Amino acid sequence: DAKTTQPNSMESNEEEPVHLPCNHSTISGTDYIHWYRQLPSQGPEYVIHGLTSNVNNRMASLAIAEDRKSSTLILHRATLRDAAVYYCIEVGGYQKVTFGTGTKLQVIP
Amino acid sequence: DVKVTQSSRYLVKRTGEKVFLECVQDMDHENMFWYRQDPGLGLRLIYFSYDVKMKEKGDIPEGYSVSREKKERFSLILESASTNQTSMYLCASSLPGTGAREQYFGPGTRLTVT
Repeated sequence: DAKTTQPNSMESNEEEPVHLPCNHSTISGTDYIHWYRQLPSQGPEYVIHGLTSNVNNRMASLAIAEDRKSSTLILHRATLRDAAVYYCIEVGGYQKVTFGTGTKLQVIP
Repeated sequence: DVKVTQSSRYLVKRTGEKVFLECVQDMDHENMFWYRQDPGLGLRLIYFSYDVKMKEKGDIPEGYSVSREKKERFSLILESASTNQTSMYLCASSLPGTGAREQYFGPGTRLTVT
């Protein structure tokens, strides 16, 4: 079973910011939080990851709660190309991960 | 750019056939993974390998085996295909030390077993 909890779906207007939440109720102290996204008819692609501090890259920002029980992926200006399924996962030391069913993001023009 | 390729995008096989799904990566990655993806179930890990000739079971290894004879190639084998193995199969790879972080996925193989 997936360790993380995400909403099944979300909607956003184009060019608006999007905040995708994830709950990590059982995360251990050494697990990294990763986000991937899967565009239609493609394999998943890595987006961003972090351990404790907030992280930024060219694709998105990741905000991690102080207790690490939740994280939020932030897309600063949603575009139609951001319509995808977004997965948050916890990655520990044994190189084994469990993906859940993710959040399907719909971007409205 | 890292490239992960899978031998077929679409494959149709009959029940009982032996099926080979091939995955090749071109970035000298140590770690490779096989997943299957089904509606409502997300991605589920079948097997993974962190070195040549090494393999570890994932969450759903039953009915599958793998082979990693060369670093760049990781094969998934269905010894006797069954209809419940109809699914999208995804291969991924990652650098050593990154574990399952920053996995690069292939485009997937949609397998239909009739």
